[in-house]
Amino acid sequence: DTGVSQDPRHKITKRGQNVTFRCDPISEHNRLYWYRQTLGQGPEFLTYFQNEAQLEKSRLLSDRFSAERPKGSFSTLEIQRTEQGDSAMYLCASSFDGEGSPLHFGNGTRLTVT
Amino acid sequence: GQQVMQIPQYQHVQEGEDFTTYCNSSTTLSNIQWYKQRPGGHPVFLIQLVKSGEVKKQKRLTFQFGEAKKNSSLHITATQTTDVGTYFCAGPTTGNNRKLIWGLGTSLAVNP
Repeated sequence: DTGVSQDPRHKITKRGQNVTFRCDPISEHNRLYWYRQTLGQGPEFLTYFQNEAQLEKSRLLSDRFSAERPKGSFSTLEIQRTEQGDSAMYLCASSFDGEGSPLHFGNGTRLTVT
Repeated sequence: GQQVMQIPQYQHVQEGEDFTTYCNSSTTLSNIQWYKQRPGGHPVFLIQLVKSGEVKKQKRLTFQFGEAKKNSSLHITATQTTDVGTYFCAGPTTGNNRKLIWGLGTSLAVNP
């Protein structure tokens, strides 16, 4: 098990373009989370899945953001019509079911919107 | 809404000095987790506390969970340069789909 992997590590895009990030969780983990983090802040919850079901999506997330986990394994996060304010580190984490299960994070995808 | 607050936001210490960060929740927590994020890295799970008044130690790190399960602390004895990073506490939200709500973290700098 190589842990949670995210691809790409870095993405530079022009405002208005669409971007898609991929996350491969730890294979035994049912839950998969997407967070966003900017400098000096804690991780900000975006959405999470239990298996293939998307259980919650942050109300802070605009309709330009969408996430999928089609087979309950890897997940993708797409941002449409990117804006400069979308520039951040996008972190994926996975865990077992159950409250209190620790999150295992990937290295993140750093998005820069120019 | 439910909030988790951490103080201080930043702390600079000389190597060998002790360090403490405090975490306060607006609601009673069923458990609290601590994570460490090194500069340029991702959060890494350190520990989970579940019981009221619980104290756990990991080498030079001591974690406490308050009696009311609304606050927690992390104390590092005799800091080393390897302790540099941001320490986050996180606790589960109330409601059906529980997820972690995070503090803003305490950034620790250690001068050698």
